[in-house]
Amino acid sequence: EAQVTQNPRYLITVTGKKLTVTCSQNMNHEYMSWYRQDPGLGLRQIYYSMNVEVTDKGDVPEGYKVSRKEKRNFPLILESPSPNQTSLYFCASSYSSGGNQPQHFGDGTRLSIL
Amino acid sequence: GQSLEQPSEVTAVEGAIVQINCTYQTSGFYGLSWYQQHDGGAPTFLSYNALDGLEETGRFSSFLSRSDSYGYLLLQELQMKDSASYFCAVRDRGNTPLVFGKGTRLSVIA
Repeated sequence: EAQVTQNPRYLITVTGKKLTVTCSQNMNHEYMSWYRQDPGLGLRQIYYSMNVEVTDKGDVPEGYKVSRKEKRNFPLILESPSPNQTSLYFCASSYSSGGNQPQHFGDGTRLSIL
Repeated sequence: GQSLEQPSEVTAVEGAIVQINCTYQTSGFYGLSWYQQHDGGAPTFLSYNALDGLEETGRFSSFLSRSDSYGYLLLQELQMKDSASYFCAVRDRGNTPLVFGKGTRLSVIA
């Protein structure tokens, strides 16, 4: 089954404790991205990757890191999480960055930073 | 940069037709997409318009007017399961991030 898999689905942690949210897709997609979703603000892009070893900042990259060492994986790293990073996070992938390419989203990761 | 405007909430009656509008401002234009998101779920792709006109997919249709920087999503024969948030999204050129509007929450009532 074609899918984007995020882990964990839920996490409660404390300020400053490094965490990684994994994202993996099995569709051989080139384009992957991370979004955060907050009430009233919609989906805001954190980072995106056009292909292996190519990553770029989105609209809200501060406090986050990503890597794209393999085509299928695109982990999101919070080196020193803070409470303002409490949010719902989505990973997405598409065949390319073309406008007509639908993005496939993972089920989301709800992070709470205390 | 890009900006998109869409109503925050819309309520409609089961069986009726509802239109969700989206206006955008972009330096370029590489198509308008629509996504649906049910509460607690992930966004799912609904439609894409690159050219002016109406695209129909079952009960859902999407319209684009590039000269007016405007599009809409039309939902016909509304069902309770259509209650969800709907997001328009644009890309101002190739190989750039997709930017989403803040979403329209549709409530379908009996």
